[in-house]
Amino acid sequence: QQQVKQSPQSLIVQKGGISIINCAYENTAFDYFPWYQQFPGKGPALLIAIRPDVSEKKEGRFTISFNKSAKQFSLHIMDSQPGDSATYFCAAKIRNYGGSQGNLIFGKGTKLSVKP
Amino acid sequence: DVKVTQSSRYLVKRTGEKVFLECVQDMDHENMFWYRQDPGLGLRLIYFSYDVKMKEKGDIPEGYSVSREKKERFSLILESASTNQTSMYLCASRVPGAPYEQYFGPGTRLTVT
Repeated sequence: QQQVKQSPQSLIVQKGGISIINCAYENTAFDYFPWYQQFPGKGPALLIAIRPDVSEKKEGRFTISFNKSAKQFSLHIMDSQPGDSATYFCAAKIRNYGGSQGNLIFGKGTKLSVKP
Repeated sequence: DVKVTQSSRYLVKRTGEKVFLECVQDMDHENMFWYRQDPGLGLRLIYFSYDVKMKEKGDIPEGYSVSREKKERFSLILESASTNQTSMYLCASRVPGAPYEQYFGPGTRLTVT
């Protein structure tokens, strides 16, 4: 079964620090790797995404690093703020095949707490 | 703004009851999804639908069914609720042209006693 393994399960970072969340996947049938952010009481929302032919993508304080040979990707949050406290999910989108448009496989999530 | 709305934020049902969870999206999206979210297990796909009248099983369909009579509405049905179906249920729709982007509703916290 296709899987995306995410670590750590929880993370505490001081304000201004760097938060790093890691994910690994097991096969090559994925064509996009998005990250979702979920605040308490809300549904997840897309944060940033990367394609496997790109090694890094940056949007503001959020950066995805992608290592295709190691089948790993990570989210870096620079200058972490208390407002970044949320649960983060990495995901992998299954490549389209036949009539299927490819669904998302989610990691188990990382609960980030940024202390003031 | 895209809106995905779910009929209830909190729901308490008894074992054996038939439960309907309703989801409506207002952006004419073709693809819709039902997930359940449990601590330490992440989001797991229950069912999905790429078009009206069409439905496909996800990774954990046992004990669930779905209905999609209209494009904007996707319902999850628990035929006979059990305590192990106590969970947070999330509905989502997929953005056309952005295959990795899904808009999620706020979720329904279902408790089966």
